[in-house]
Order: sequence, then C-alpha cells, then structure tokens
Amino acid sequence: NAGVTQTPKFQVLKTGQSMTLQCAQDMNHEYMSWYRQDPGMGLRLIHYSVGAGITDQGEVPNGYNVSRSTTEDFPLRLLSAAPSQTSVYFCASSSGGSKPPQYFGPGTRLTVL
Amino acid sequence: GDSVTQMEGPVTLSEEAFLTINCTYTATGYPSLFWYVQYPGEGLQLLLKATKADDKGSNKGFEATYRKETTSFHLEKGSVQVSDSAVYFCALSEGQGGSEKLVFGKGTKLTVNP
Repeated sequence: NAGVTQTPKFQVLKTGQSMTLQCAQDMNHEYMSWYRQDPGMGLRLIHYSVGAGITDQGEVPNGYNVSRSTTEDFPLRLLSAAPSQTSVYFCASSSGGSKPPQYFGPGTRLTVL
Repeated sequence: GDSVTQMEGPVTLSEEAFLTINCTYTATGYPSLFWYVQYPGEGLQLLLKATKADDKGSNKGFEATYRKETTSFHLEKGSVQVSDSAVYFCALSEGQGGSEKLVFGKGTKLTVNP
C-alpha cells in the first residue's frame, strides 16, 4: 500500500490564481480530511469527508472547496489564492467507525505571492 | 469550543534525559486524547491515544495518562534518544473512540543532543 499520497510537494502561486491539491489513499478508508499547518498554530481542519459524495466544513473552510467523487480521492481546490493561504497542507485518512486520522500524507508546501 | 494547550518549546535535552511535555485540554464532553509526532520533513503519525479517564496510552517508550480531574494528558519518556527529535502535538476529538475531527495543540519541538 502507498498509504496517503499528496501532490504536488511544493507549489508557488500568484495572488488570484487557482489550483487543486491532490490527495489519494489506497486503504479504502471512508474518512478523509484536509488540514493546514501554520507556524505556532498547530493543525487546523479545513474540510472533511465521511464517504464518497459527502463532505463538510471544518474550522477554516473559507477560500477552499472539496469534493469526494470516489473513496480514493479527496482533492482540495483553492478558488482564488491569497497570501493568507501560504501554509503546509496535510491530507489525512482513517478507517470506518469513529476514529481519528491515523494516516497523514507527506504534505504540500504552498506559497502564495 | 474545545481547545488544547501545550507547553511552549523548544525543548532541548541530552540523550537519556527524562522527558515531559505538558498538555491540558478544555472540552464540553468526554473527549478522546492523542499524541502525534512529526519527524523532520514528514507528515504526522499517531503516537499514542487514550479514550477514557485513567487510560494510559503507550508506544515506543512514550506514555501519557488521561487525567480527567486535572484535564491533562502529559507525554513522558524515561530516556530520550537523538531519534526522538521531532515536533509533538497533543490533540483531542469528541467522544470515546474519537471522530474524524481533531483539535490540535500548537506543537512542541523537541531536540535531543548526543
């Protein structure tokens, strides 16, 4: 198993540009989520999904969209990038039932100029 | 809302020293508690967890006990190694067994010198 994979590893955007961060897992996990990590802030939940076709907002959803068309993939879309979205983004997944994310991807470091 | 407070770092220790990283929480219900570790350049890994009061989570020589009376979940290790150098995050989620929604502390960076 590859676990949780994320692409790209690094990305630089200009203000106003849009892009999609990719996340995939091959463990057939129902739960997937996106976090952002900022210095001195810990990790904050952006969006999460409890299964294909179902998504919900986390703590800091503004400026981001998600969809879950398959169990494996959970892309995060930045609609119009802003410097405040400069961060490291982590995707996570967990298996069925009420469990916390056990598996995190390696992260995407995004810089918005 | 729910929150987690960790001791601020960075923490620098010599190899074989005793480690304590303090963590306290605020929650309306009965949360599950977790410690995650992030090694340099990597994503987070679940280190240990406890789902109810007085439970002790342990893994890789690390331990933490769920103390409801003091709302704490301090991380301890008796003898740290250079390979333990990482950032440690305390976290909680709602309900026993946890949920997919985690609330994290800000993290504590540990450096262990040989």
